Amino acid sequence: KAGVTQTPRYLIKTRGQQVTLSCSPISGHRSVSWYQQTPGQGLQFLFEYFSETQRNKGNFPGRFSGRQFSNSRSEMNVSTLELGDSALYLCASSSRGQGGEAFFGQGTRLTVV
Amino acid sequence: AQSVTQLGSHVSVSEGALVLLRCNYSSSVPPYLFWYVQYPNQGLQLLLKYTSAATLVKGINGFEAEFKKSETSFHLTKPSAHMSDAAEYFCAVPRHGGANSKLTFGKGITLSVRP
Repeated sequence: KAGVTQTPRYLIKTRGQQVTLSCSPISGHRSVSWYQQTPGQGLQFLFEYFSETQRNKGNFPGRFSGRQFSNSRSEMNVSTLELGDSALYLCASSSRGQGGEAFFGQGTRLTVV
Repeated sequence: AQSVTQLGSHVSVSEGALVLLRCNYSSSVPPYLFWYVQYPNQGLQLLLKYTSAATLVKGINGFEAEFKKSETSFHLTKPSAHMSDAAEYFCAVPRHGGANSKLTFGKGITLSVRP
């Protein structure tokens, strides 16, 4: 079974630009969550999607948004990039059953210059 | 909301020595607890999961963790460290409800293994 695939693996953007990151979950998984990982703040929850609907949202500004498609693939978008948005962005997929743990992708390393 | 605390940010052990990484959860008993490992430039890999079915949980790569309600702890152990165990380890708990909902992570512990 293929794992969670995130593309691209690395990205360099300039302040003020916007970026879109992609996540393909494990086949059959309908829940996708996104996390931001930085040295200072650690791992922080961004949002969760299930069946194309946002179910949970973390404490991030509106510049961070996401969506999920009918095939469960998800994208997250960050607009008006700031230097502080530099981070590893991790996507996790799960079956969303009560015992269904999250499986993580390798992440997208975003650097804002 | 549930939370976890990982004491210390860095642990160094000799190869072959016992590994003990500490994690304490907030006061109410969580339905699930997890340990994840992260190797450099990689995502998170699930080591083991507590589901209240058993207090001693065995995971991959020889790791295990014991849930102790009296100590609100879920410490990760491995009897004999290997060089390949060098990585960052995270304890996590679902913020609400189901196993995969909105995980809250500890700060992480970097494990170094000396030859």
